[in-house]
Amino acid sequence: DAGITQSPRHKVTETGTPVTLRCHQTENHRYMYWYRQDPGHGLRLIHYSYGVKDTDKGEVSDGYSVSRSKTEDFLLTLESATSSQTSVYFCAISPRLQETQYFGPGTRLLVL
Amino acid sequence: KNEVEQSPQNLTAQEGEFITINCSYSVGISALHWLQQHPGGGIVSLFMLSSGKKKHGRLIATINIQEKHSSLHITASHPRDSAVYICAVAENTGNQFYFGTGTSLTVIP
Repeated sequence: DAGITQSPRHKVTETGTPVTLRCHQTENHRYMYWYRQDPGHGLRLIHYSYGVKDTDKGEVSDGYSVSRSKTEDFLLTLESATSSQTSVYFCAISPRLQETQYFGPGTRLLVL
Repeated sequence: KNEVEQSPQNLTAQEGEFITINCSYSVGISALHWLQQHPGGGIVSLFMLSSGKKKHGRLIATINIQEKHSSLHITASHPRDSAVYICAVAENTGNQFYFGTGTSLTVIP
């Protein structure tokens, strides 16, 4: 298995509070991705990174920001969580764009 | 608008049956991926293909670029194959991945 971890694995928070999810990899892959998975929608790309300090928006980026200060860490921040951001969040990594992605175990976020 | 459509959404099979899951897409692609998501939630990449056919054990994936269609076949299905199978495409004009909503497979002993 690719060395990719996510923290926390579960989180319950209240509307309006900031939340940061962390993705950590030990594979030195250049590309890192954040997805959310919701019933009826499948996986949807939130943001991705193509290098340290290089990020770009995905399909559903509104309400989310990201940062990548080190190759191994990619942070996803919900500045002010809303109930619509209740979801399962997956991080993924790949050595090159559009190649096989390796997924983390996921983070279940509940916003009350 | 769904760039990737999978069928069927749900599938129940008896152990040993031959299974086919279909994926159709509407965008130009550089590659198509088949993923497996286990009941515990973990996602594993099964195949990446841009043409022809690939085989790994009892799993076979095919793609027809002209028809924008791919199939995932499972031969001699087993209860441990029970999972959600997800089709994803890498768009060839940019940086987007599009995912289908998945096919939930249950194989009964």
